[in-house]
Amino acid sequence: GDSVTQTEGLVTLTKGLPVMLNCTYQTTYSPFLFWYVQHLNEAPKLLLKSSTDNKRTEHQGFYATLHKSSSSFHLQKSSVQLSDSALYFCALIYGGSGNKLIFGTGTLLSVKP
Amino acid sequence: GPKVLQIPSHQIIDMGQMVTLNCDPVSNHLYFYWYKQILGQQMEFLVNFYNGKVMEKSKLFKDQFSVERPDGSYFTLKIQPTALEDSAVYFCASSSTGGMYTQYFGPGTRLLVL
Repeated sequence: GDSVTQTEGLVTLTKGLPVMLNCTYQTTYSPFLFWYVQHLNEAPKLLLKSSTDNKRTEHQGFYATLHKSSSSFHLQKSSVQLSDSALYFCALIYGGSGNKLIFGTGTLLSVKP
Repeated sequence: GPKVLQIPSHQIIDMGQMVTLNCDPVSNHLYFYWYKQILGQQMEFLVNFYNGKVMEKSKLFKDQFSVERPDGSYFTLKIQPTALEDSAVYFCASSSTGGMYTQYFGPGTRLLVL
């Protein structure tokens, strides 16, 4: 069935370093991928979205490129800040069912001073 | 940005009782959703709702669950009766259209069934 895989449960980094959070997906339909960020006790908020193959999308210093050939949508940032500490979810919405989101298990990013 | 509100933020209830979770979606949105997140696991789709009707529900949406949005007020999720395995965080979301459009999430209601 359709699924999203995030391989890292926890990523711990020092402020100023680059980060890449992995996301791969599986679907037989045309995919639309999202990254949501959730700070402690807050609502998940949309960070990035894309359905265009090989086109980089950026927001708030984060960027990702949908690669349909490898079924990936990895999230990157060149220099993490303390405020980036949060839970990051990759999610897939696909044309098969309409408009339900399928989420990955999430990656907790912890940025240290 | 657009905000979705959820009331209450926390609810503790005895097994077998009824509970209603309330969601105040973004004002001009037409599509509404409930997701369930058990501690330490990913969010999972429960149900979506449009034009007064359930469009799709997952296998997690048991017979004890129901949703409604009477007269454009709160979008509600009712569980009657509750079971221990219903303990989770329930997130409401809304979107202006269906298909591939962005869903905006509320902060969740933390439900504990004892």
